[in-house]
Amino acid sequence: ETGVTQTPRHLVMGMTNKKSLKCEQHLGHNAMYWYKQSAKKPLELMFVYSLEERVENNSVPSRFSPECPNSSHLFLHLHTLQPEDSALYLCASSQVKTSGFFTDTQYFGPGTRLTVL
Amino acid sequence: KNEVEQSPQNLTAQEGEFITINCSYSVGISALHWLQQHPGGGIVSLFMLSSGKKKHGRLIATINIQEKHSSLHITASHPRDSAVYICAVALHNTDKLIFGTGTRLQVFP
Repeated sequence: ETGVTQTPRHLVMGMTNKKSLKCEQHLGHNAMYWYKQSAKKPLELMFVYSLEERVENNSVPSRFSPECPNSSHLFLHLHTLQPEDSALYLCASSQVKTSGFFTDTQYFGPGTRLTVL
Repeated sequence: KNEVEQSPQNLTAQEGEFITINCSYSVGISALHWLQQHPGGGIVSLFMLSSGKKKHGRLIATINIQEKHSSLHITASHPRDSAVYICAVALHNTDKLIFGTGTRLQVFP
């Protein structure tokens, strides 16, 4: 496997379900990100992890719970979601230097298309 | 008003045409990204630039820091260039990335 992979690619869940999205990067990067892309809205940054520590949480509801057990893996645990949470969830990674998280190229996974019924 | 504005929102072209997509922003930035998103949803980073101009194949990106404006040019466009092109800016002094709403490009044979 190369690059950034995400599983599953598609997920349909009810509002009472608990599910997890998985992201894995094979690039040796030191930072990983979760983004949300809703229909007709710009991409939104949800979480940033650097060296397995959460650095940024853009006021994301607690029904989204990220986990970064090591520098190659990132999870997004989902519980009691709402229909408006239906979106494309994208994972990305980058090799961050001292100038900040977003001054280096981001490498994106293919995304998980989530539908909440 | 969004901090990052792209124009046009939609663009159609005939194969071979020269294409320009514009991005204007209203904040201080440390870098600007151009991304390409194909219909399946996957995103590819095309360029990251903080000054001047970069070229990769048929793609050229320019940025004018004083005017807070960047352009993405595609020369000799091809149907496989059909995608959504997204501009994103990394804010200066804060680690935040703000995205434009994207420009949907369709190139017809």
